[in-house]
This record gives sequence, C-alpha cells and structure tokens, in this order.
Amino acid sequence: SQQGEEDPQALSIQEGENATMNCSYKTSINNLQWYRQNSGRGLVHLILIRSNEREKHSGRLRVTLDTSKKSSSLLITASRAADTASYFCATDAQLTGGGNKLTFGTGTQLKVEL
Amino acid sequence: NAGVTQTPKFQVLKTGQSMTLQCAQDMNHEYMSWYRQDPGMGLRLIHYSVGAGITDQGEVPNGYNVSRSTTEDFPLRLLSAAPSQTSVYFCASSYRTSGGGGYTFGSGTRLTVV
Repeated sequence: SQQGEEDPQALSIQEGENATMNCSYKTSINNLQWYRQNSGRGLVHLILIRSNEREKHSGRLRVTLDTSKKSSSLLITASRAADTASYFCATDAQLTGGGNKLTFGTGTQLKVEL
Repeated sequence: NAGVTQTPKFQVLKTGQSMTLQCAQDMNHEYMSWYRQDPGMGLRLIHYSVGAGITDQGEVPNGYNVSRSTTEDFPLRLLSAAPSQTSVYFCASSYRTSGGGGYTFGSGTRLTVV
C-alpha cells in the first residue's frame, strides 16, 4: 500500500515560476524525504525533513512538514527547464527488527517549459 | 566513489527463466533494499537488509529471493520469471541511523519478461 500520495499528479509551469507539490501520508514517521527522478534514470535524494522539524530549505527547495495533518509540501522556486522530472515523497519509518523502511508515493510529474 | 552499481541495465527473459540482478555499493552502508517501479504505482519495496546476514521481506516479495553475505553486495534473484515481473528494478542503500537518512539509488535494471 502507498504511504505517501502526491498532489497534483502532473504539473506544467513556465520557467521562472514556482512549483508546489504536496504529499499526504497515513502513519507515524521518523522523517519524510523528497526525491527527483529524471526520465529513464534512478532517483536522486533532494532533501530530508525530520518529524520534529516544520520547515527546511536547500537552495531553491523549501519543504514543510505538518505532522498533525500528516502532510508535506515541496516548493521549487524560480524553476528551470532542468527541473523537469518526476518528484516523489517518501516516508521513513522505524522497523521493529531494526533499520528503517522507506515508502514512496506515486509521484508528481513536473514539466517546466521555456 | 561509484555509489550504488546495478547490473545489468537491461534484460529480456522468457517466462520460467531465472536470473540474478546484481547490486553493489562502496559506501559501507548497512541498509540495502530492492524496489520495483511500475507505471502509476510508484516504487514498491521487495526485500531489504539491515546488515550482512540479515534480510527481510517488503511489500511485494513473492517470486524474489535475496541474500546478504557481505556489506557491499545485495543480489536479487528471480526464481521463475513471470510477465508480471516486467518492471524497472532499483537497488538503494543508506546508513542505518536512528533518525534515518537519505538513500542512494542505483540507475536501475529494466526487465522484460516475455
């Protein structure tokens, strides 16, 4: 079953605009992570926000986390054509046997047009 | 520093054949996992390992076996390939920390079962 669900499924914007993607999840988490996947490639880790954090920045990325609503958002500011990719949220939960389990949502396809 | 290396990149199998997907990491990560990615389904966890000699099942383990004899290697075996196993397979690794951490993904193996 999917833990994270992204919204929207697809987003098309013009270069220079901001892109916002949302993620909702169902159970308690250690942290929430966002990944980017370019077409035909592997996933690249973008940013991690821990369950006791509310907001985090990394370059043009801003992530928020609301554990009471079990939701997160990823904001990409001043988007570029190179940001065109699929973006996935993933929730990280502790396993009883040790280690962590990362559960992915279905992703948001972002297209940035010139 | 190679990161996570997956081989082969592409493979076509006939129904009933067996094969092993290789995954190796050189970052001394304790945690390794296998995911499959299907259109509209996001990534689903097949098997994972929290250290050498320790493996466990994920969401969709049926038809797959794993072993972890060393920290570096985590091969995924398809016992008797079926068309439903046509997918893109990703191996990922991370440090086993109490707060979790970002995962490093391989570039994937695209498997077609005919």
